[in-house]
Amino acid sequence: GNSVTQMEGPVTLSEEAFLTINCTYTATGYPSLFWYVQYPGEGLQLLLKATKADDKGSNKGFEATYRKETTSFHLEKGSVQVSDSAVYFCALRGGNTPLVFGKGTRLSVIA
Amino acid sequence: DAMVIQNPRYQVTQFGKPVTLSCSQTLNHNVMYWYQQKSSQAPKLLFHYYDKDFNNEADTPDNFQSRRPNTSFCFLDIRSPGLGDAAMYLCATSRLAGGSTDTQYFGPGTRLTVL
Repeated sequence: GNSVTQMEGPVTLSEEAFLTINCTYTATGYPSLFWYVQYPGEGLQLLLKATKADDKGSNKGFEATYRKETTSFHLEKGSVQVSDSAVYFCALRGGNTPLVFGKGTRLSVIA
Repeated sequence: DAMVIQNPRYQVTQFGKPVTLSCSQTLNHNVMYWYQQKSSQAPKLLFHYYDKDFNNEADTPDNFQSRRPNTSFCFLDIRSPGLGDAAMYLCATSRLAGGSTDTQYFGPGTRLTVL
């Protein structure tokens, strides 16, 4: 079945550092890939998505590229801010199924 | 501007006392989902409605029920809450039940405390 594996946290970075959160997936067919962000005490917000191989999703300075050859969708940001502190979930949706989530990665950015 | 609305944001109930959580949407989406999220875990799908068709996940306890009286509203009923049911409950919607390009939109969640 479909599954998502993302790097375990927590990840602690200083403000303006470069961020990478790794995400790999297993799926049949051609899934769409998503990153959701969850701020403390809040629900999930869609951060970005990509629907086919080599697509790059981007939003708020975050980027992720759908790499079919490595089955990956790593999240990156060039310069993180304290306000980026949150939990980030990688997810996929394939065929006739609801979202499948990774376990989440907690990011803490310190000033 | 809100698209998926959950009320209340915080709910406290007593052990064994039935509780209902509410979700509404302004997107006119066909599908509504309920997820349970425990601390430091990924959301776990409980069930979803495609229009009026109810789809239960195999491992969802019988204690959890749902109603969808119309397109806009969906309710989660917990018949006899136990301490282990304390969690964040997330409602989500999507236009389609399938189709990999379709996006799920989430509400802000209701945090349930069981005393």
